[in-house]
Amino acid sequence: AQSVAQPEDQVNVAEGNPLTVKCTYSVSGNPYLFWYVQYPNRGLQFLLKYITGDNLVKGSYGFEAEFNKSQTSFHLKKPSALVSDSALYFCAVRDYGQNFVFGPGTRLSVLP
Amino acid sequence: GAVVSQHPSRVICKSGTSVKIECRSLDFQATTMFWYRQFPKQSLMLMATSNEGSKATYEQGVEKDKFLINHASLTLSTLTVTSAHPEDSSFYICSARDSPSSYNEQFFGPGTRLTVL
Repeated sequence: AQSVAQPEDQVNVAEGNPLTVKCTYSVSGNPYLFWYVQYPNRGLQFLLKYITGDNLVKGSYGFEAEFNKSQTSFHLKKPSALVSDSALYFCAVRDYGQNFVFGPGTRLSVLP
Repeated sequence: GAVVSQHPSRVICKSGTSVKIECRSLDFQATTMFWYRQFPKQSLMLMATSNEGSKATYEQGVEKDKFLINHASLTLSTLTVTSAHPEDSSFYICSARDSPSSYNEQFFGPGTRLTVL
């Protein structure tokens, strides 16, 4: 069975500092990994995905994520956080032919 | 990018009434649409998957007679919450995929907040 863990409910970071939102996963086959962001009372917006190839994936709004197969992780990163990055972030995994499984979400607060 | 709309964005209804939520893919044909439910400060929980022209597949624990899903065309799916009760109050989000490929991301609607009084 697929599962996704986001070990931190909340991440606080000062504006301009680098940020990391952690995600680990468990799948039986090759993982397809995704990050989404959700602003209040809004649906999810796609940030980036890893399917195959380069382990470092670059996405929207300056975000990137690094796929680490040995650690089964797919942490989301950004070199310099903005206050507008404050939102709820979801990691998701899909095993081939299966549906998405979402992590519990991590609330990111960027402090001015 | 692909756009998914939902209507209404917010609905308040009395207990016992039925509420219909529409999900539309605006610039692509959605082979598959998904309905999720999100409680406050929680993740999305998949309720059902619907393919155009066929019956929806419900996740375990989701009452198919209470949450009626119709996927009548490649651009429209509807979720009807029948005989709504206060415990049905939640944020309902639909998503759509334009291909059965697992490589593709899903495109999410903006969500519908249902409040049952």
